[in-house]
Amino acid sequence: DQQVKQNSPSLSVQEGRISILNCDYTNSMFDYFLWYKKYPAEGPTFLISISSIKDKNEDGRFTVFLNKSAKHLSLHIVPSQPGDSAVYFCAASPVLNQAGTALIFGKGTTLSVSS
Amino acid sequence: GAGVSQSPRYKVAKRGQDVALRCDPISGHVSLFWYQQALGQGPEFLTYFQNEAQLDKSGLPSDRFFAERPEGSVSTLKIQRTQQEDSAVYLCASSLARAGYYGYTFGSGTRLTVV
Repeated sequence: DQQVKQNSPSLSVQEGRISILNCDYTNSMFDYFLWYKKYPAEGPTFLISISSIKDKNEDGRFTVFLNKSAKHLSLHIVPSQPGDSAVYFCAASPVLNQAGTALIFGKGTTLSVSS
Repeated sequence: GAGVSQSPRYKVAKRGQDVALRCDPISGHVSLFWYQQALGQGPEFLTYFQNEAQLDKSGLPSDRFFAERPEGSVSTLKIQRTQQEDSAVYLCASSLARAGYYGYTFGSGTRLTVV
């Protein structure tokens, strides 16, 4: 049973437009969420995170929104650039800022940004 | 080194063969994780070390999987009598003791193909 779900396997966006990647979760004990970006033949790299005490976190072109009541989060990329083309993984952690906490990942969404 | 280093990058094993995958974490990182990523899936937790102590091995799929980190730095994931279902990318990640907000730093992974 998947605890972290990314229901869109792929997303295509034009350069300069907004990319919105979505993630749903089922475990109410999750209170810490992260987005990772992965290029082919490389490991995932950390992008941005948010804790449950916030509903928004912004870092440059990247913003993550959290709706705890809906158990839903989204990653917005504005403006999208061709270099953003990658697989994006949503991940959740049940314990805030604790060593040894295993992250639970979704299956990923492949973003393609065309120029 | 500057990042998490994994070797080999690619490994082809005949079914029934034993394999050993190496992870060299970022210097000073206390926590070390192993994840398995099957094709089209997100990374799934295998095991966690804090220094040389293996504190969580709940994700290891069978007793054919064994991990060690004897001196608290380099770690080895060993798979005995490999099966086709073991084919996956094996990712190693490391972090500082309390770096949860920034997630973990992943290596590029070892792609294991069992034929």
